Amino acid sequence: GESVGLHLPTLSVQEGDNSIINCAYSNSASDYFIWYKQESGKGPQFIIDIRSNMDKRQGQRVTVLLNKTVKHLSLQIAATQPGDSAVYFCAEGGATNKLIFGTGTLLAVQP
Amino acid sequence: DAGITQSPRHKVTETGTPVTLRCHQTENHRYMYWYRQDPGHGLRLIHYSYGVKDTDKGEVSDGYSVSRSKTEDFLLTLESATSSQTSVYFCAISGGGQGAFYEQYFGPGTRLTVT
Repeated sequence: GESVGLHLPTLSVQEGDNSIINCAYSNSASDYFIWYKQESGKGPQFIIDIRSNMDKRQGQRVTVLLNKTVKHLSLQIAATQPGDSAVYFCAEGGATNKLIFGTGTLLAVQP
Repeated sequence: DAGITQSPRHKVTETGTPVTLRCHQTENHRYMYWYRQDPGHGLRLIHYSYGVKDTDKGEVSDGYSVSRSKTEDFLLTLESATSSQTSVYFCAISGGGQGAFYEQYFGPGTRLTVT
């Protein structure tokens, strides 16, 4: 079947390098932001989130940076591994419990 | 994995037939959502529920209806399927557990083909 990864911007990195995936969000009133990872044939998986009162948050091998001035979000993955190959989505949310999703970036890790 | 299952996982149906997709959760989360995912469009919200018998429309609700008679089940119905409804459908839940209230957790998806 057709992959969700078709027609997406692609980031190709070497195994062991750091990856940076970027996202521009649309609503300056958004209060929280989430990064999801989606492997082929699976549902999106929660990676990390950040609230609007923060500009940086770290997890295990991942860091999310938020720049509210330019409405930009990034996900940094340290020491990228083949298992990190997937489509990565950012999502933004506000006063409601609804999220708005970006179209995603395909991360391809070369061995 | 969050306790979310979707059924069926794959379905092929003919134009004009009714189709019902089921989402079942074991997490007792308050909110449930139905999305569709198409190449180039990302995830788009069809309908969501904020409690038993409480539902509301999302951005692409035309041609779809939902029902939630129990906390654990959220049904999506295509009254008369069209080829434009060929897609992958995801259910998500939020509003409970140890995560933040807004974090959504997704099911494995249902691939629907309308011929």
